[in-house]
Amino acid sequence: DTEVTQTPKHLVMGMTNKKSLKCEQHMGHRAMYWYKQKAKKPPELMFVYSYEKLSINESVPSRFSPECPNSSLLNLHLHALQPEDSALYLCASSQVSGGQETQYFGPGTRLLVL
Amino acid sequence: KQEVTQIPAALSVPEGENLVLNCSFTDSAIYNLQWFRQDPGKGLTSLLLIQSSQREQTSGRLNASLDKSSGRSTLYIAASQPGDSATYLCAVDTGGFKTIFGAGTRLFVKA
Repeated sequence: DTEVTQTPKHLVMGMTNKKSLKCEQHMGHRAMYWYKQKAKKPPELMFVYSYEKLSINESVPSRFSPECPNSSLLNLHLHALQPEDSALYLCASSQVSGGQETQYFGPGTRLLVL
Repeated sequence: KQEVTQIPAALSVPEGENLVLNCSFTDSAIYNLQWFRQDPGKGLTSLLLIQSSQREQTSGRLNASLDKSSGRSTLYIAASQPGDSATYLCAVDTGGFKTIFGAGTRLFVKA
């Protein structure tokens, strides 16, 4: 199984809503990532969990909150988002092995904030 | 600060043509370089991963090269097909879980 799954595929939310994006992998990978991708732009790293330890891109606003319940699951909690947060949110995982890692990406969640 | 640039930004070719996509990076201190394919509105599919100690990798009709000293990588696609139409992204791993992506090359292969 070399698949990273993400739910939901699409999400529309208002600026006062609270929602969560979910990501799951069963490849035994110990690093999981959240990326944000705007249209026609490259993905930008938001968060990394490696062995359940969190690394943050400091430019990411606090209205995004990651959670790693276990090594197979990664959530992204959303609260009080802005219209400019509308984007494709990609989850990825990789095995941590001294630079010999291939990142596997999920299909993404397309988020629209109204 | 590592910067990754991809040229051209867009490319349209007739079916059957061989083509080269270019990727350049400013800091040669990388762990590896990876080429991805992305279809519109979809996630990324890994195509080839080149370790910093390697010069090239091949998979089917794809061949990727890496010249760390000059900060360049190329993705060669042989005998292009309409199904190859997608955006191709290169990404460098600078360590510390920092992967920097280029803006991509949008490829259109005409039947």
